Amino acid sequence: TQLLEQSPQFLSIQEGENLTVYCNSSSVFSSLQWYRQEPGEGPVLLVTVVTGGEVKKLKRLTFQFGDARKDSSLHITAAQPGDTGLYLCGGNNNDMRFGAGTRLTVKP
Amino acid sequence: KAGVTQTPRYLIKTRGQQVTLSCSPISGHRSVSWYQQTPGQGLQFLFEYFSETQRNKGNFPGRFSGRQFSNSRSEMNVSTLELGDSALYLCASSLVSLGEQYFGPGTRLTVT
Repeated sequence: TQLLEQSPQFLSIQEGENLTVYCNSSSVFSSLQWYRQEPGEGPVLLVTVVTGGEVKKLKRLTFQFGDARKDSSLHITAAQPGDTGLYLCGGNNNDMRFGAGTRLTVKP
Repeated sequence: KAGVTQTPRYLIKTRGQQVTLSCSPISGHRSVSWYQQTPGQGLQFLFEYFSETQRNKGNFPGRFSGRQFSNSRSEMNVSTLELGDSALYLCASSLVSLGEQYFGPGTRLTVT
């Protein structure tokens, strides 16, 4: 059983569309991180959210941490083919826990 | 600043053998964590070393072990390899224990 549940598991969209990926847990996390992983490589840290209700923006990516610090979302505006990859959320819960990931494909 | 490096990148072993993987963290990072990534189970935490001491441990059998040296470099050892150990093994370093994880490129282990 995953401590962090991510949805959707797979997402295939056209270039220019918007999308939201969710990361949910029944546990409270002091912080959550979002990573993107491309085939054959390790995950790359995108952002860390710490405060409940926090919103962070990274160009076309908007990250939100739930008020209760149990959930987070990643919204991508006007997706591009370069956004293709596996998006993972992770957090410290006495060990490092990661969701199963959302595999995003953006078609030109 | 150089990133996390892992060696080797690819490895093929036979059942019953043992393997040692190496990880060099980002300069100044004292924490090194190891992960196993498979299509079925996703990214799973093996253990973390901080200042040469194992700080945290995931739910893996004792065949999986590790150590950390005084220069923060870390090694992971898997003994008596099983087919199910085939996976991408990732290490990550961080400034503080279980902080933001900076991953290396991984070692792809295939057990035949």
